[in-house]
Amino acid sequence: SFELTQPPSVSVSPGQTASITCSGDKLGDKYACWYQQKPGQSPVLLIYQDNNRPSGIPERFSGSNSGNTATLTISGTQSIDEADYYCQAWDSTTVVFGGGTRLTVL
Amino acid sequence: QVQLQESGPGLVKPSQTLSLTCTVSGGSISSGNSYWSWIRQHPGKGLEWIGYIYYSGSTYYNPSLKSRVTISVDTSKKQFSLKLSSVTAADTAVYYCARGQFTFDRWGRGTRVTVSS
Repeated sequence: SFELTQPPSVSVSPGQTASITCSGDKLGDKYACWYQQKPGQSPVLLIYQDNNRPSGIPERFSGSNSGNTATLTISGTQSIDEADYYCQAWDSTTVVFGGGTRLTVL
Repeated sequence: QVQLQESGPGLVKPSQTLSLTCTVSGGSISSGNSYWSWIRQHPGKGLEWIGYIYYSGSTYYNPSLKSRVTISVDTSKKQFSLKLSSVTAADTAVYYCARGQFTFDRWGRGTRVTVSS
């Protein structure tokens, strides 16, 4: 079955760039999206179809997807970006989520 | 803008059926590319997709849950529902309803369901 793998945690200093990866077999051949979830809140769609931002999502969030890896990049990371991030794709009409990455802004 | 709200019992006994409803407001449940999904999150864990329904009634379920899941829609009430049968403690989770088939751009706040006798 199709699986997506994320690092459990990533740390970044304020103002720096954070990169969160998501790996899956031939993921680059599928569309990937990313969600942000803060404690006690619902997930929020950050990126869809690899690199598109819904309205209202800050420009510092961007995405890419190639080969076996999709990447969420947060430029100029702020303390408010501290959250869990989930990648997601679909395969043969089945939706799959990555295990999530906790971003800590130190 | 579209808002979603889950409702249903917060406590279900083992072997019984979990039943939740999602009410859609601020928009149509049956316009355009109107797919509606259920997703759950076990305590302290990641997200698990349960299945989706198109407003016309066609459905697709996670193969790992397919034998126990039924999703239905009532367009007149702007609601869609989840039934999960033969529940066990492993079904304890926060259950979210969301808009979308393969990408979810609107989510409800989630409802916590505990399976316990």
